[in-house]
Amino acid sequence: SQQGEEDPQALSIQEGENATMNCSYKTSINNLQWYRQNSGRGLVHLILIRSNEREKHSGRLRVTLDTSKKSSSLLITASRAADTASYFCATGAGGANSKLTFGKGITLSVRP
Amino acid sequence: DAGVTQSPTHLIKTRGQQVTLRCSPKSGHDTVSWYQQALGQGPQFIFQYYEEEERQRGNFPDRFSGHQFPNYSSELNVNALLLGDSALYLCASSFLTALNTGELFFGEGSRLTVL
Repeated sequence: SQQGEEDPQALSIQEGENATMNCSYKTSINNLQWYRQNSGRGLVHLILIRSNEREKHSGRLRVTLDTSKKSSSLLITASRAADTASYFCATGAGGANSKLTFGKGITLSVRP
Repeated sequence: DAGVTQSPTHLIKTRGQQVTLRCSPKSGHDTVSWYQQALGQGPQFIFQYYEEEERQRGNFPDRFSGHQFPNYSSELNVNALLLGDSALYLCASSFLTALNTGELFFGEGSRLTVL
């Protein structure tokens, strides 16, 4: 079963615009991570935020976490055509349960 | 420094056959996890290996089995293949101690088609 649900399912923007993607989850988490996948290839880790953190930045990426609402958002600023990919949020429960539970993903298209 | 490598990249099998997929973790990593990703879906956790033992398992039938070797590489075996086993199989590696809060490093996957 998939814990995370991303929103929207698909997003199309113009190069230079910002892209905001949302993720909701159901159970308590230790951390939440965002991954990118290009055309059915392997996943690439983007950013991790722990349950005691509210916001984190990495380059053009900004992730927020609201544990009271069980939701997270990923903002990509000044998007580029190379950002076109599928984006997944994944939750980790921590402790002895170290697997990641992924959502269904968001397809981002950035038009040149 | 080689990342996670998987083989084969693509393969086609028929129903009822058996398949073995292979994974070499990133250098220095000791833990391997396997995920199944059906078309249009997110990856689903199959199982995880550490010190040559299955440490954790997802909701997959016993037809799915694995192994980890002393050099930390791993195999995923699927018996009695069904059409629904068609998917991208992803291997991910990490340090066990970092798993609770750390990222996973994924390979490019093995795309299995069952006819």
